[in-house]
Amino acid sequence: DSGVTQTPKHLITATGQRVTLRCSPRSGDLSVYWYQQSLDQGLQFLIHYYNGEERAKGNILERFSAQQFPDLHSELNLSSLELGDSALYFCASSLDTSTDTQYFGPGTRLTVL
Amino acid sequence: AQKITQTQPGMFVQEKEAVTLDCTYDTSDPSYGLFWYKQPSSGEMIFLIYQGSYDQQNATEGRYSLNFQKARKSANLVISASQLGDSAMYFCAMRDPGYSGGGADGLTFGKGTHLIIQP
Repeated sequence: DSGVTQTPKHLITATGQRVTLRCSPRSGDLSVYWYQQSLDQGLQFLIHYYNGEERAKGNILERFSAQQFPDLHSELNLSSLELGDSALYFCASSLDTSTDTQYFGPGTRLTVL
Repeated sequence: AQKITQTQPGMFVQEKEAVTLDCTYDTSDPSYGLFWYKQPSSGEMIFLIYQGSYDQQNATEGRYSLNFQKARKSANLVISASQLGDSAMYFCAMRDPGYSGGGADGLTFGKGTHLIIQP
């Protein structure tokens, strides 16, 4: 158990819908990262938040957004969902923004029908 | 741009043998970190080992060691005395700080190696 929690574990929805994925980092970690794992794209970095502020963006679509709240939990919002958004979405946390190890949550498996 | 290459899509290894999983990387940043993660069939990503670009010694964590050859830009994972529970996908990843060239500071992953340990 990495100490990072993600809910829900599974999510099934329809095209055009909007969903919210939730992540709670390890106790004491200030950084939260979101990743998408799909069969065709592999594991891709989406976005990084540090202590409530957006720090860096990766290959995140404009339809996707995230935020980190004062209690340091984070949410990833996916809107206007398409079939190709079906993937495993991971949250990871680390203590800081340097080369600290990122510990991954169990992931949320999103299926868009 | 960063790039991680794992050239072994799949490997079959006999139990108790040592395994070397290959990883080469490409970065122009002098400061970076290299990671290996294990992803069993259950799906979670488990951190195994970390090597910093300025570390003088190769990293070791129990049965895992990292064969870091900076000049060759390779960071191979060595698993000693493999066990049936080692069967999983293994991902090599790299992190650069992002402040030297404007790159994102998330991890860049390779495509992974599917390791199967046979009894």
